[in-house]
Amino acid sequence: ETGVTQSPTHLIKTRGQQVTLRCSSQSGHNTVSWYQQALGQGPQFIFQYYREEENGRGNFPPRFSGLQFPNYSSELNVNALELDDSALYLCASSLGGARQTQYFGPGTRLLVL
Amino acid sequence: GENVEQHPSTLSVQEGDSAVIKCTYSDSASNYFPWYKQELGKRPQLIIDIRSNVGEKKDQRIAVTLNKTAKHFSLHITETQPEDSAVYFCAASKGYSSASKIIFGSGTRLSIRP
Repeated sequence: ETGVTQSPTHLIKTRGQQVTLRCSSQSGHNTVSWYQQALGQGPQFIFQYYREEENGRGNFPPRFSGLQFPNYSSELNVNALELDDSALYLCASSLGGARQTQYFGPGTRLLVL
Repeated sequence: GENVEQHPSTLSVQEGDSAVIKCTYSDSASNYFPWYKQELGKRPQLIIDIRSNVGEKKDQRIAVTLNKTAKHFSLHITETQPEDSAVYFCAASKGYSSASKIIFGSGTRLSIRP
């Protein structure tokens, strides 16, 4: 298993609420990427943080936002939750730099009712 | 935009036979191609990766080939075993500066028949 951890493991929210998911990167890694994985699909890139700055973003609306802290842990915030936001949210950490291997955490399963 | 297509979506092979999964990518600037295995309810785990300056890479029963001209890459699993049953994802990355966004394929559900 990788050293990447995520919390919480499961979460149930209602439409319109806000949620914060957390990720601790593997020791020595300074880059965290977030992905959304809907049931039966591949992970979709949300955004990446490198040394506390957003460094690349996928096709997700602004209500998906994030933070990276000085210890390189990261948060994903989603405002105004919609039913379609129900998914497994994965974070992956890496050393940074082009073509660096990403190691995934166990994910947070979010259900929006 | 960037896209990775993966085929087949499901694959069933007899234990001991070989399995091949194929992917194509759209962005010719892609230079890093990882493969992940995801078992039910678990995180994706990297099983092998290949970089654009290499045409083939092998690790025991697993091999990956890359054809940059055709923008194709493939995963080959030989002597399949029951524990190979999982969903496999190919991916492509275009590393630039410090970013390494990975675009995933839609996955292949591999089943190994005893």
